Amino acid sequence: DAGITQSPRHKVTETGTPVTLRCHQTENHRYMYWYRQDPGHGLRLIHYSYGVKDTDKGEVSDGYSVSRSKTEDFLLTLESATSSQTSVYFCAISESSGAPHEQYFGPGTRLTVT
Amino acid sequence: ELKVEQNPLFLSMQEGKNYTIYCNYSTTSDRLYWYRQDPGKSLESLFVLLSNGAVKQEGRLMASLDTKARLSTLHITAAVHDLSATYFCAVNTGGSNYKLTFGKGTLLTVNP
Repeated sequence: DAGITQSPRHKVTETGTPVTLRCHQTENHRYMYWYRQDPGHGLRLIHYSYGVKDTDKGEVSDGYSVSRSKTEDFLLTLESATSSQTSVYFCAISESSGAPHEQYFGPGTRLTVT
Repeated sequence: ELKVEQNPLFLSMQEGKNYTIYCNYSTTSDRLYWYRQDPGKSLESLFVLLSNGAVKQEGRLMASLDTKARLSTLHITAAVHDLSATYFCAVNTGGSNYKLTFGKGTLLTVNP
C-alpha cells in the first residue's frame, strides 16, 4: 500500500472555526490532491499540487486553501468552516513520471461542521 | 464542462450472473481509471486504461476503453458477494497534471 496518512481521521467542529487537515506521504511522489466525497456527487477535486509550493485549484475550491511547504505534506485549510463543508475528505498522491499515473488514496477524514 | 456519467448508479444482481457498468465521458482524454470503494473505506485502484481498445482483466472484472466513443465498460462475470462495493470511473482532464474527474459511482450489491 502507498504510504499515505491523513490526520485527523475524524473531526467535529463548529461553524465559523478554521480547520486544517493534513496529508502526509512517504512515497516522495510529486503530485498530491485533495478531494471531497459527498453522496450523489462522487469525488470532486478541491485543490492539487504538482510540486513544493506549486498548487492550483480544482472544481470546488471556494472556501478552501492549501499549502505544500515540503514534498511529504499537503495541508487543506477551511478558513471558516460552514455546514456545506461537512464531507469526507480524501488525499491522493501520484507518481512523478511515466504511465500510468495512478492516484493512490489515503484513508480519508470525516469532517462534520455543526 | 466535462461530464463523466456512469450507469447504472445502482445495480442489484444475483450471484453467478453477468453484468456491465458503463462510463461515458464528454471530452477527449488520454486515460481512464476504475476504482473500487468498500463502505466506509478508501478507494482502491482497479484498472488504468491508456489507449483505444485497451482491455484489462483481473479475476471476474474486465475493463475496456473505446476512446472514439468516449466509453469505458466494466464487465462483471459470474458475480460473487465479495464484489459488492461502489465502483467509480474517472477521466484524466488535467493533461500533465493528471487531474481526475469522477463519475458518481455505481453501487453494486450481489445477492446470494
